[in-house]
Amino acid sequence: GQSLEQPSEVTAVEGAIVQINCTYQTSGFYGLSWYQQHDGGAPTFLSYNALDGLEETGRFSSFLSRSDSYGYLLLQELQMKDSASYFCAVLRSNDYKLSFGAGTTVTVRA
Amino acid sequence: EAGVAQSPRYKIIEKRQSVAFWCNPISGHATLYWYQQILGQGPKLLIQFQNNGVVDDSQLPKDRFSAERLKGVDSTLKIQPAKLEDSAVYLCASSPDGLYNEQFFGPGTRLTVL
Repeated sequence: GQSLEQPSEVTAVEGAIVQINCTYQTSGFYGLSWYQQHDGGAPTFLSYNALDGLEETGRFSSFLSRSDSYGYLLLQELQMKDSASYFCAVLRSNDYKLSFGAGTTVTVRA
Repeated sequence: EAGVAQSPRYKIIEKRQSVAFWCNPISGHATLYWYQQILGQGPKLLIQFQNNGVVDDSQLPKDRFSAERLKGVDSTLKIQPAKLEDSAVYLCASSPDGLYNEQFFGPGTRLTVL
């Protein structure tokens, strides 16, 4: 089986930086994806890490350490529109299934 | 390009009734997924199709849920009979062949079972 842990809620002010940690346990790890979901909306893909290190996409960056079974999503220069739920998801190598964590609700305050 | 289309967007039924959801994936996407997302949780994979064949349905409650993908394009998910615990959002997603990490999700169908 597999398990993913991420904080349930994070609150920050506009312009701040938020880091959402994700630790995982799984057999056959292939990579770690991050998705954003606004309330009532569809999950949308943000980033993917298959190798150790940092991937940067605009204000969002994602990091992976395979040896520590750990990753994080970094949200910089927070904007009100970043208020959403963020899910880490493990892609397994044995069956290419994506398993999602429970999600972190980010609330951005003015 | 057009996104993943789903219908209906909302459905309210009584327990023990049946319901069906429809999904039209992004054109050319070989892989189609159905997820169940209960409020406050992450999406849980129910079934995965590769073209019109089932790749994985290990999490599908087969005594009441069924799904098919017609001609490798559209898909329907059916629940018969529905239970209270089936109340959730049912998300359809698709991805190009071999690109399993980046899935494109539809808006979902919010099902309420009374």
